[in-house]
Amino acid sequence: QVQLVQSGGEMKKPGASVKVSCKASGYTISNYGITWVRQAPGQGLEWMGWISAYNTNTDYAQDLQDRVTMTTDTSTSTAYMELRSLRSDDTAVYYCARLVFALAGVYYFDFWGQGTLVTVSS
Amino acid sequence: DIQMTQSPSSLSASVGDRVTITCRASQSISNYLNWYQQKPGKAPKLLIYAASNLQSGVPSRFSGSESGTDFTLTISSLQPEDFATYYCQQSSTTPFTFGPGTKVDIK
Repeated sequence: QVQLVQSGGEMKKPGASVKVSCKASGYTISNYGITWVRQAPGQGLEWMGWISAYNTNTDYAQDLQDRVTMTTDTSTSTAYMELRSLRSDDTAVYYCARLVFALAGVYYFDFWGQGTLVTVSS
Repeated sequence: DIQMTQSPSSLSASVGDRVTITCRASQSISNYLNWYQQKPGKAPKLLIYAASNLQSGVPSRFSGSESGTDFTLTISSLQPEDFATYYCQQSSTTPFTFGPGTKVDIK
């Protein structure tokens, strides 16, 4: 069965970086994309970007573009999301999800990781 | 960026009620609209993709429809496990924006 298992919670100081991992199992990671979505406490869902595990092409949300890097390691079926220059408003639960690309415009996120809480505080 | 709005922001309903949630896009997105359910402390779960396609394993009481830039999620007979927050999300162009959510709670 498809599973995405994320790394554990992190506490970071402002200005630091965090790298969250997302290990996929039950499918061939290179056949799909991985997307990252975050949720600040009590807030809605914010799309951060996605990476094609097939060709490693990325597409980031513009307001995060300068601080985020998404990568994949097909040898370990693991995706990573690194966020730099952390600020207090980056405190959120970060989710990875499998991105299905069915045809032009039809993208959806069908399996999700359990979430990783990143807390940014001095 | 395409802006997504949802109405209502919250609603109270009883088990067995028919519930309708509306999502509107700020511009045409064809049928590139997905619906997710999220329960407290849990990851979102895909319910509907491409406006009206039921994700595998999702009960048939959930359905989706579209009319122009307006999209509707309907729960035909609300069950106890359906109390949650529902989000729409467009996949027409990046950034893949989400709506602000509709919280469904118990009347």
